[in-house]
Amino acid sequence: EAGVAQSPRYKIIEKRQSVAFWCNPISGHATLYWYQQILGQGPKLLIQFQNNGVVDDSQLPKDRFSAERLKGVDSTLKIQPAKLEDSAVYLCASSLERTEETQYFGPGTRLLVL
Amino acid sequence: AQSVTQLGSHVSVSEGALVLLRCNYSSSVPPYLFWYVQYPNQGLQLLLKYTSAATLVKGINGFEAEFKKSETSFHLTKPSAHMSDAAEYFCAVSEAGNTDKLIFGTGTRLQVFP
Repeated sequence: EAGVAQSPRYKIIEKRQSVAFWCNPISGHATLYWYQQILGQGPKLLIQFQNNGVVDDSQLPKDRFSAERLKGVDSTLKIQPAKLEDSAVYLCASSLERTEETQYFGPGTRLLVL
Repeated sequence: AQSVTQLGSHVSVSEGALVLLRCNYSSSVPPYLFWYVQYPNQGLQLLLKYTSAATLVKGINGFEAEFKKSETSFHLTKPSAHMSDAAEYFCAVSEAGNTDKLIFGTGTRLQVFP
């Protein structure tokens, strides 16, 4: 079974530029999560989708971050414009359903904002 | 509100020695508890989880953890460390019945010396 795929793996941009990350969850997984992991901290949930609907985006900085999962499969997370403090690893995870307690994580995208 | 505290951001052991990584939780409702491992440049992988069944939980790679309600703890142990165990370990908590909301600790980096 293929795992959660993410691309790109690394990205370096200058502040005020825009960037987008892509995630393809495990086939058949209805729930998809985006986490932000700042160096030295644990992952923090940014947004959660159930199929193509948003379940929780309470911690997403909506003035600069956006995410979509249009067809209920893969997802894109965008930052526009980026700030220095957005430097982090962005992890995508998926689970079969919201009630399934095990989340499967992708390798992450490491973003450096200069 | 739920939270997790991991005592010790860095733990060093010799190969073959006991591994003990500490996790204390705070939750007003019965918790589900998780340990995830993150190898360099990889995503998080589930080691084990407590979901209100047996209090002693066995996971992959010889790790186990014991849920102690009286101590609000869920420490991770392994009798004999291996070089390949060097990684970052995250404890996480969620609520029974709201298992998709994971709250992570800040992580403990385990170093294993030969």
